[in-house]
Amino acid sequence: GAVVSQHPSRVICKSGTSVKIECRSLDFQATTMFWYRQFPKKSLMLMATSNEGSKATYEQGVEKDKFLINHASLTLSTLTVTSAHPEDSSFYICSAGPGRGAGSNQPQHFGDGTRLSIL
Amino acid sequence: AQSVAQPEDQVNVAEGNPLTVKCTYSVSGNPYLFWYVQYPNRGLQFLLKYITGDNLVKGSYGFEAEFNKSQTSFHLKKPSALVSDSALYFCAVLSGGSYIPTFGRGTSLIVHP
Repeated sequence: GAVVSQHPSRVICKSGTSVKIECRSLDFQATTMFWYRQFPKKSLMLMATSNEGSKATYEQGVEKDKFLINHASLTLSTLTVTSAHPEDSSFYICSAGPGRGAGSNQPQHFGDGTRLSIL
Repeated sequence: AQSVAQPEDQVNVAEGNPLTVKCTYSVSGNPYLFWYVQYPNRGLQFLLKYITGDNLVKGSYGFEAEFNKSQTSFHLKKPSALVSDSALYFCAVLSGGSYIPTFGRGTSLIVHP
């Protein structure tokens, strides 16, 4: 089945540091990738949707200048948390979906998440 | 517009007993419905989906779900629960024309030995 690799799995860093999280689709081309944030024992919060070669679409309330998303190729999307602070500590998960058009009734394929801890 | 509700924050069941995790949805048009499972510190894994056809859908690990259009429900079921089924379960819905699914808040399933 389709595999999405997310790296790193865990990051601990000091406040003010910028952290980059990578999401790769290993055996398929991901037209669309999604970035979620998950709080402890809580549901997924969609942060943004990125389509290859275009700017990401951010959900309301998500700071685009703080959470930089790049989707430069059909197999790689990155999320950079700039000048991270303790309140940014969370579990971040990416997923790859079929995107618009035919096949949009297919399931998403999720990475294993990144546990970000800002001290 | 599309929305999904998982009314139970937590479901407790004894090992060997049948389990049900509830999901109801609201869409304009025909729904595409999905169930995912999440184990601690992992991403979500796809379990099963309903697109069209038979209302009873069978998926991974012995799980199944029944699409009920009149009740707008898509409850997840398993005849005999295992302790290893303990995890967080998410229901998701897509309406026609949308490619961004809406996820429920998640239901924590705890299977007691």
